[in-house]
Amino acid sequence: KQEVTQIPAALSVPEGENLVLNCSFTDSAIYNLQWFRQDPGKGLTSLLLIQSSQREQTSGRLNASLDKSSGRSTLYIAASQPGDSATYLCAVNPSGAGSYQLTFGKGTKLSVIP
Amino acid sequence: GAGVSQSPRYKVAKRGQDVALRCDPISGHVSLFWYQQALGQGPEFLTYFQNEAQLDKSGLPSDRFFAERPEGSVSTLKIQRTQQEDSAVYLCASSLEATYEQYFGPGTRLTVT
Repeated sequence: KQEVTQIPAALSVPEGENLVLNCSFTDSAIYNLQWFRQDPGKGLTSLLLIQSSQREQTSGRLNASLDKSSGRSTLYIAASQPGDSATYLCAVNPSGAGSYQLTFGKGTKLSVIP
Repeated sequence: GAGVSQSPRYKVAKRGQDVALRCDPISGHVSLFWYQQALGQGPEFLTYFQNEAQLDKSGLPSDRFFAERPEGSVSTLKIQRTQQEDSAVYLCASSLEATYEQYFGPGTRLTVT
């Protein structure tokens, strides 16, 4: 059974700092991986989706990398801002049968201090 | 365009009551998913529809949970005889096709007292 782990569980950084969030998964047979942001009391906002054949994806100040063979993904946030404060979740989509059931980590709660 | 919408946003039910949660997916999205998110946890898969067909209900925790999407658009998740352990946020997501990027609604927070 796929397990997704996110480290650290919580992170507090001063505004302007660059930071990295980590995601690891136990089964490398994945179709794609998505990073989401969740604000308190809100649903999930999709940030980036990386296909299994890709190494990284970029959107603005966000860069996500994928190393499928080692079961790892990182989300890099450049020049952090207070508005980036939220919980960040990664989710893997398995390949083969059931290739739609996202398995999520518990998330990393990010606080950016002005 | 409009995103995924869910109603109600908040629901308080007494133990033993039945509840119905509604999801309006993005127009044209064939695939629809329901997830359950307990406090402090990541969402967990409940069920999947392709158009009106429920192709996977392996994540439904008990036979008290029932989902439908009769016309291949709006979906309803029904929970019968609610229990305290059903308290969670119920998230709906839709996508153009099953393996494509999933777009989530704001969720319904269910509290069973």
